[in-house]
Amino acid sequence: AQSVTQLGSHVSVSEGALVLLRCNYSSSVPPYLFWYVQYPNQGLQLLLKYTSAATLVKGINGFEAEFKKSETSFHLTKPSAHMSDAAEYFCAVTFYSSASKIIFGSGTRLSIRP
Amino acid sequence: GAGVSQSPSNKVTEKGKDVELRCDPISGHTALYWYRQSLGQGLEFLIYFQGNSAPDKSGLPSDRFSAERTGGSVSTLTIQRTQQEDSAVYLCANRDNTGELFFGEGSRLTVL
Repeated sequence: AQSVTQLGSHVSVSEGALVLLRCNYSSSVPPYLFWYVQYPNQGLQLLLKYTSAATLVKGINGFEAEFKKSETSFHLTKPSAHMSDAAEYFCAVTFYSSASKIIFGSGTRLSIRP
Repeated sequence: GAGVSQSPSNKVTEKGKDVELRCDPISGHTALYWYRQSLGQGLEFLIYFQGNSAPDKSGLPSDRFSAERTGGSVSTLTIQRTQQEDSAVYLCANRDNTGELFFGEGSRLTVL
């Protein structure tokens, strides 16, 4: 069965500091992995996705994530945090053998300190 | 329309009443998902429709919850005999062929 674990329900970093949000997955078949972002009072939108091509994936707003099969991880990073990055971030996993559900992690709330 | 549309955007109901939440998906996207997002919680998978296949209902929390999708398009999530713990934002999403989900704005349900 698929599952996703996000370590840290709340992460706080200073403006300009490195952002690292952790995601580990469990899947019996090669996964497709996603990061979604939910800004305050807005809907969810895709940040980036891994679909078995390049293992380092670049997304919007300077975010990127690296798929590491050996570590079953898909951590999200950004070199320099901006105040506008404050949001809830969700990691998700699915696979493509047939119709399949997409499972989300519990989310990580990112706060940015001035 | 261009995106996923959900209605109502807000619903306040009394405990024990039934509610229906509607989702109008993106035309041509055959996969449709319902999720529940409770305050401070992640997205809880409820049910998934794909074309004419039997839906995956494995996430429905109780038999008070049901969903249907008519003609492969509009979907309705029904909650019978609502309880206070049903209060949440109910999200509908379409999936494209790369696996990306396109979410609606959600229906916020408050059970008094």
